[in-house]
Order: sequence, then C-alpha cells, then structure tokens
Amino acid sequence: DAGVIQSPRHEVTEMGQEVTLRCKPISGHDYLFWYRQTMMRGLELLIYFNNNVPIDDSGMPEDRFSAKMPNASFSTLKIQPSEPRDSAVYFCASRQGQSYEQYFGPGTRLTVT
Amino acid sequence: TQLLEQSPQFLSIQEGENLTVYCNSSSVFSSLQWYRQEPGEGPVLLVTVVTGGEVKKLKRLTFQFGDARKDSSLHITAAQPGDTGLYLCAGAPGGSYIPTFGRGTSLIVHP
Repeated sequence: DAGVIQSPRHEVTEMGQEVTLRCKPISGHDYLFWYRQTMMRGLELLIYFNNNVPIDDSGMPEDRFSAKMPNASFSTLKIQPSEPRDSAVYFCASRQGQSYEQYFGPGTRLTVT
Repeated sequence: TQLLEQSPQFLSIQEGENLTVYCNSSSVFSSLQWYRQEPGEGPVLLVTVVTGGEVKKLKRLTFQFGDARKDSSLHITAAQPGDTGLYLCAGAPGGSYIPTFGRGTSLIVHP
C-alpha cells in the first residue's frame, strides 16, 4: 500500500509568492496532521484534522498560513504571502483513530528567497 | 520552552560502540513514542511505551519509560552505520493522543 504522499518534494520560491503544499493521506486514516521542522524549533504541529474537519489550528504561525481538507484523500497547506522565515521542511502525517502511531510523508523542503 | 528535552543533541561514535540517549520532561505523559528519521525522509515510529517502568526491546535497541512517566531512554548496543539518523521522542499528555515532539538527537555511526 502507498504511504502518505506529499508534493512537491522541493519548492523554491521568492518572498511574497503564494506556496501550496499537497498531501494525500493513507487510505482509511481519519486523522491528518501538518508539521513544520526546522533546526531551531524541531518538529512543530501546525494543524490537524479529524474526518476532514480542522480540530486544532493553534500551531499555525499567523494568518498567512491556511490549511484545507476538502475530502478524505486530499489536504493542502497554503502560505500567502511567503517569507524567508517560512523556509523549513513541511511534513504531513496521518493515522487511524485514537492511536499513537502516526505515518509521516517524505516532506516538502520549502526555500523562500 | 521545550516540553520534551532530548540529550545529547549530537552524537558521533564508531561502529560497535554502545550509546544511550535521553528524553526528559517535567510533565507526565500517558504514552511516549520514539521515532527515527533518516535524511530526506519523514520520521518512522520505532516503539510506544505506556506503562511507568516499562522496558521494550527491538533487536539492539532498548527503550525504557521512567517510573513516573516523565522521561525515557533509548540504548543502542553495538551501533551500526545503519543506525545513523535523527532520534525523536514524542509524548502525549494524559488523555490525549496528540503528541509533542522533542528536538531530537542526531546520531552518526562511523564504519
């Protein structure tokens, strides 16, 4: 079975541009998580969904960040406008039910110049 | 302030050596997970511990959950180059299934 799929794997953009990151969770998983990883702050939870509904977005840095999950097999994380401090690796993870095991995608490395 | 403190931050050793990495907190957790992350990949779950004092073994890796469920350790026996990676601990506060991650220990094992 395919794991969590993320696209693109790498994104380089200029400050002020809109960036959209995409995630396809594992089929049958009802929880989806977006994380950001940097050397300074480690792995931070941005937002998570349950059954396509956003449950906790308290980790979203500011209004420039938004996330959607229009259906059970697709989610996006959008940054508009992007800034150099948004440069990081963004991970999507999914899991089934109230379990401890999350399955991570390979990540999107974002560089904003 | 980091809820979970991992130490050491970096570790560089020779193949065959033993090592221990630590995950400490002032908070009590209902469970604690250890993940390994290889360069360019996402974290992969190694183990979950849920009972204070619990010890779990995974081949050459031994995981221990503190009696008070505030800390954990990972011991690797006879490290191999394939053990190289970032080791992350993650803890879920009581009643929650949403973990918080530590910053990790970056391990390099030289052949």
